[in-house]
Amino acid sequence: GQQVMQIPQYQHVQEGEDFTTYCNSSTTLSNIQWYKQRPGGHPVFLIQLVKSGEVKKQKRLTFQFGEAKKNSSLHITATQTTDVGTYFCAGPRSGGSNYKLTFGKGTLLTVNP
Amino acid sequence: GAGVSQSPSNKVTEKGKDVELRCDPISGHTALYWYRQSLGQGLEFLIYFQGNSAPDKSGLPSDRFSAERTGGSVSTLTIQRTQQEDSAVYLCASSSQGSANQPQHFGDGTRLSIL
Repeated sequence: GQQVMQIPQYQHVQEGEDFTTYCNSSTTLSNIQWYKQRPGGHPVFLIQLVKSGEVKKQKRLTFQFGEAKKNSSLHITATQTTDVGTYFCAGPRSGGSNYKLTFGKGTLLTVNP
Repeated sequence: GAGVSQSPSNKVTEKGKDVELRCDPISGHTALYWYRQSLGQGLEFLIYFQGNSAPDKSGLPSDRFSAERTGGSVSTLTIQRTQQEDSAVYLCASSSQGSANQPQHFGDGTRLSIL
């Protein structure tokens, strides 16, 4: 079945360092979504990428969608303690339904002040 | 406006008891999803409702799990004869349309602990 893999599983950084998480799908995706879940909180939608090679920025966050639409990345420049949380990518599930998302297991980011 | 509301926020119960979890989606959202999240894990799809269509129950792990959505709004997830492996956070999400290219809005979840 379709798999969405995220690496790394965990990342600990010093405040001010950069951070990147990678998302890889076993199948081509029509779009990819990114969510952030703070400790003890719920997933919050960050962004959706649709086009091959698309790059979007939100302040210190840069999101990329690969040319083959099978991978994506989230890069945070100069991390802050407010960036702590788990970052999930999610893509449409292949094989029939057009409403299900397959979520990666997420990357837990911790930031040392 | 109000977001997705879930209740209770926490539930502790003994093995073998039935539990009922409630989700009130964002007003006007036709699509509603239930997920299960175990500690440090991703989101496991359970069930999907879209308007008055038949739900997609393909993610329910056993026949002890059932869900309904009344009037196209509030949904309840029922777990009968709970087992310890049912312990997890149960998340509900809604979206404006039943499409995988629409963002999903999550509630705070119900943390279920089975003793």
